[in-house]
Amino acid sequence: SQQGEEDPQALSIQEGENATMNCSYKTSINNLQWYRQNSGRGLVHLILIRSNEREKHSGRLRVTLDTSKKSSSLLITASRAADTASYFCATLRMDSSYKLIFGSGTRLLVRP
Amino acid sequence: DAGITQSPRHKVTETGTPVTLRCHQTENHRYMYWYRQDPGHGLRLIHYSYGVKDTDKGEVSDGYSVSRSKTEDFLLTLESATSSQTSVYFCAISYPGQSNYGYTFGSGTRLTVV
Repeated sequence: SQQGEEDPQALSIQEGENATMNCSYKTSINNLQWYRQNSGRGLVHLILIRSNEREKHSGRLRVTLDTSKKSSSLLITASRAADTASYFCATLRMDSSYKLIFGSGTRLLVRP
Repeated sequence: DAGITQSPRHKVTETGTPVTLRCHQTENHRYMYWYRQDPGHGLRLIHYSYGVKDTDKGEVSDGYSVSRSKTEDFLLTLESATSSQTSVYFCAISYPGQSNYGYTFGSGTRLTVV
């Protein structure tokens, strides 16, 4: 069963706009991660936020984590056409396993 | 992707035949993983390994086996390929102190079972 579920499934915005993607999960986590996947390629790690953190920044990326609501959001500011990709959240659970569980992803299209 | 390679990149095989996919890393990481990616399902974990000869099952392990005889190689075998195993397969590695680091993924193997 999937741990994370992204919302929306697809998002289309104009270049320069901000893109926000949300992720919900079910069980207690050690950390939550966001990945990007360009068409036909492997996944690339973007950012990791630990369960005791509430917000993290990396360049144009801003991630928030609300453990009480079991949710996270990824904000991409001033989007570019090159940001067009699928974005996945993934959670590392608190149990003794070291398995990263992925959601089904958000497809982002940034129109020039 | 630097440090991790998958082979083959593409394969077409017939139903009922065994197939082995290879993941090779040069990073000397203990942890390695096999995922499959299908439309609408994201990535699902098949098997993973904590070290040489130390493997365990993931969410969708039925019909798959793995072996890890060397740190650098993690093999995924479809014992008798079925059409439902048509998918893109990704290998990943993670750092020993993985609670603070993300995974590094290979470029994937696109497998078609006809």
